[in-house]
Amino acid sequence: DVKVTQSSRYLVKRTGEKVFLECVQDMDHENMFWYRQDPGLGLRLIYFSYDVKMKEKGDIPEGYSVSREKKERFSLILESASTNQTSMYLCASEENKLGRTDTQYFGPGTRLTVL
Amino acid sequence: KNQVEQSPQSLIILEGKNCTLQCNYTVSPFSNLRWYKQDTGRGPVSLTIMTFSENTKSNGRYTATLDADTKQSSLHITASQLSDSASYICVVTVLRGTYKYIFGTGTRLKVLA
Repeated sequence: DVKVTQSSRYLVKRTGEKVFLECVQDMDHENMFWYRQDPGLGLRLIYFSYDVKMKEKGDIPEGYSVSREKKERFSLILESASTNQTSMYLCASEENKLGRTDTQYFGPGTRLTVL
Repeated sequence: KNQVEQSPQSLIILEGKNCTLQCNYTVSPFSNLRWYKQDTGRGPVSLTIMTFSENTKSNGRYTATLDADTKQSSLHITASQLSDSASYICVVTVLRGTYKYIFGTGTRLKVLA
């Protein structure tokens, strides 16, 4: 079974703090994603990565950055946390089969509260 | 504009009953359509994935249908169980050069004993 783990289930931070959210997958997947999920809005893509050291902006990248130094690990960084970044953060990974995509596997999520 | 709309927003049914959730999309060019189940406080888990040429796919008591002409999909749950209480999310993949996932906002299902 594919396993996607996230470093924290719940996190409380103060405005202005630098926040690191880590995601690790154990299936050697090429593609990894960071989403945030807010009530009534569905999942929105922040960043994704299709290879080590490669990243692309999603729909809402402002205020976030990412790092992918190893294939299995994809980190989301909030440079200076703000209250409007309070949300559920979901990491996902998927295999890239000759350019065609398959099922995304999601982590359990990190509920971040910024005070 | 690429959009995925789900209905109803929420649904309450009694255990053992069947239900159908709807997903309409205005996405082009279409690559595939996925249904996910998301338990409260958890990440989504894949139920089905269908390409353009598939019009039905089952996963146990879950059956998804796809009508690519009308751009509609449905998820039918048979003989519901309490554990079916969750949000169900429809996701359509757009493929234009690179691929992009368009997420619906989900249907929240509550199954009562």
